[in-house]
Amino acid sequence: SQTIHQWPATLVQPVGSPLSLECTVEGTSNPNLYWYRQAAGRGLQLLFYSVGIGQISSEVPQNLSASRPQDRQFILSSKKLLLSDSGFYLCAWSRPRTNQPQHFGDGTRLSIL
Amino acid sequence: AQSVTQPDIHITVSEGASLELRCNYSYGATPYLFWYVQSPGQGLQLLLKYFSGDTLVQGIKGFEAEFKRSQSSFNLRKPSVHWSDAAEYFCAVGQGYQKVTFGIGTKLQVIP
Repeated sequence: SQTIHQWPATLVQPVGSPLSLECTVEGTSNPNLYWYRQAAGRGLQLLFYSVGIGQISSEVPQNLSASRPQDRQFILSSKKLLLSDSGFYLCAWSRPRTNQPQHFGDGTRLSIL
Repeated sequence: AQSVTQPDIHITVSEGASLELRCNYSYGATPYLFWYVQSPGQGLQLLLKYFSGDTLVQGIKGFEAEFKRSQSSFNLRKPSVHWSDAAEYFCAVGQGYQKVTFGIGTKLQVIP
């Protein structure tokens, strides 16, 4: 069966510090991968998605970036965090070239001080 | 562009009562529709999905949803709510093979 792992679960970072959140998927090949941010009362905002290694689509201009160095690894990064980057970050995967649903990790709670 | 509207941000129901969460979508083609549930501090769990065929779909945890094309709706229902159903519920519509648009969610509170 397929599983998705996100870490860390919780992170507290000072303003201006760098960020690296990692997501890995097991049990499937060539998945579509997604990064979302969830803010209170605002639902899920799609940040990035990827259909293959090195292929990243950005949905919202911001100081975050994403990379996919391996087929089942998706990384969310920032060089300098802003206060507005606080939130709950969710990684998800779905089967490629289908309309099958997305499956989510447990999320990372990011607090910027 | 597609959109999803969940008109109720908060809903409170008594344990044992029936539940209906509303969802309306806007999408030019045949929609692929989903309902997810999220417990506090957790990721989203898929409850059910609609792709085609029977417009009444059954999901996990005793939930069902009905697709009504004429009303552009995909409402989630449960005949008898349990205290463990308290969570946030998200409706979503699939766009092509890649992206899904989510509603802003409905928080369900269950009172004894």
